[in-house]
Amino acid sequence: SQQGEEDPQALSIQEGENATMNCSYKTSINNLQWYRQNSGRGLVHLILIRSNEREKHSGRLRVTLDTSKKSSSLLITASRAADTASYFCATGHLGGATNKLIFGTGTLLAVQP
Amino acid sequence: DTAVSQTPKYLVTQMGNDKSIKCEQNLGHDTMYWYKQDSKKFLKIMFSYNNKELIINETVPNRFSPKSPDKAHLNLHINSLELGDSAVYFCASSQDTGRNEQFFGPGTRLTVL
Repeated sequence: SQQGEEDPQALSIQEGENATMNCSYKTSINNLQWYRQNSGRGLVHLILIRSNEREKHSGRLRVTLDTSKKSSSLLITASRAADTASYFCATGHLGGATNKLIFGTGTLLAVQP
Repeated sequence: DTAVSQTPKYLVTQMGNDKSIKCEQNLGHDTMYWYKQDSKKFLKIMFSYNNKELIINETVPNRFSPKSPDKAHLNLHINSLELGDSAVYFCASSQDTGRNEQFFGPGTRLTVL
């Protein structure tokens, strides 16, 4: 399967702490994205990092990408209860005229107030 | 003001029935997608349309037939529903095939009894 894997599968932290999630994938990518999914809702795009980038920031989010290890990490700093959600990495692949996203297995983050 | 909308939100039906899920986006995007999310939260692409033309068709049973009457709409018709079709189905859109950031609808939870 092409599907990426995320670890940990579940993470529980206290408000104010940092949360780190990791994603590994198997094939060459064009870009890697992180999405958030609140319970019972659709996915929301958080950040995109291209294959030629190594690090990207957006607010309290920091994403790194190591294409040699085929891995990425998402760091959420100073977490809040509202950050409680599932987080998915998705690798973007170019193939002919199509762009395809392959999603990872997700990390369920619980931030305790 | 909803960017990507789906109807219905919940669908409960008997095995063997035929049902449709509708999706509309008001973002002016050219590309639309259908994803299936199973009970373990694995999210997998099923179809993608660009300007009403099918560009991605994963190994989905031919009981599933997408239809795009115009680029703002992508409907999913499912014939002869089976128990294994129970899942949450998400519609998404992106500006075009070259832009990987995708905007997701709220999902349709399909339960086949």
